Amino acid sequence: AQSVSQHNHHVILSEAASLELGCNYSYGGTVNLFWYVQYPGQHLQLLLKYFSGDPLVKGIKGFEAEFIKSKFSFNLRKPSVQWSDTAEYFCAVNAGGYQKVTFGTGTKLQVIP
Amino acid sequence: NAGVTQTPKFQVLKTGQSMTLQCAQDMNHEYMSWYRQDPGMGLRLIHYSVGAGITDQGEVPNGYNVSRSTTEDFPLRLLSAAPSQTSVYFCASSPGTSGLLYNEQFFGPGTRLTVL
Repeated sequence: AQSVSQHNHHVILSEAASLELGCNYSYGGTVNLFWYVQYPGQHLQLLLKYFSGDPLVKGIKGFEAEFIKSKFSFNLRKPSVQWSDTAEYFCAVNAGGYQKVTFGTGTKLQVIP
Repeated sequence: NAGVTQTPKFQVLKTGQSMTLQCAQDMNHEYMSWYRQDPGMGLRLIHYSVGAGITDQGEVPNGYNVSRSTTEDFPLRLLSAAPSQTSVYFCASSPGTSGLLYNEQFFGPGTRLTVL
């Protein structure tokens, strides 16, 4: 069965600091990978996704993620965070188009002005 | 498009009561799903559907029923509410193809349920 681990549960950064959130998954075959964001009081929305091709994926609002197959990782990065990035971030994996998506437990990011 | 809509936004139930959470989408998506979100546990899949008339269990299906009579609607029924079902419930849809999931999911605004 597929599983997803997000090791950082709560991250606090100052504005302009760089961000990297870890995501590791366990599945040996083809995977589709996602990062979703949930701003306070809002529903989840897609930040970026990886299905195939270039392992460096660029998403909305300056976020990017790198798929490293050998490490089973899909870490999320942003070079300079803003206060408006305060939100909860979820990594998710879908094993090769299989019908279920598994979410990580989420990382709460707090950006201090 | 309204996207994915959910009603109600808030609900308080007493233990043992039953209710239905409504979910509808107007994007003609094949795939629909229900998740519950609990602090520190992320989103957990309750039930999902790959098309009208087809449903299957997710990770935490006990105490919940679903049906999919139309492409647009995917209601979630709580048969006999328990305090452990206090949670935020999200419905999502995706343009899955032939029962497979190759696209991102679009989420509704959620229903916050409290069971006393």
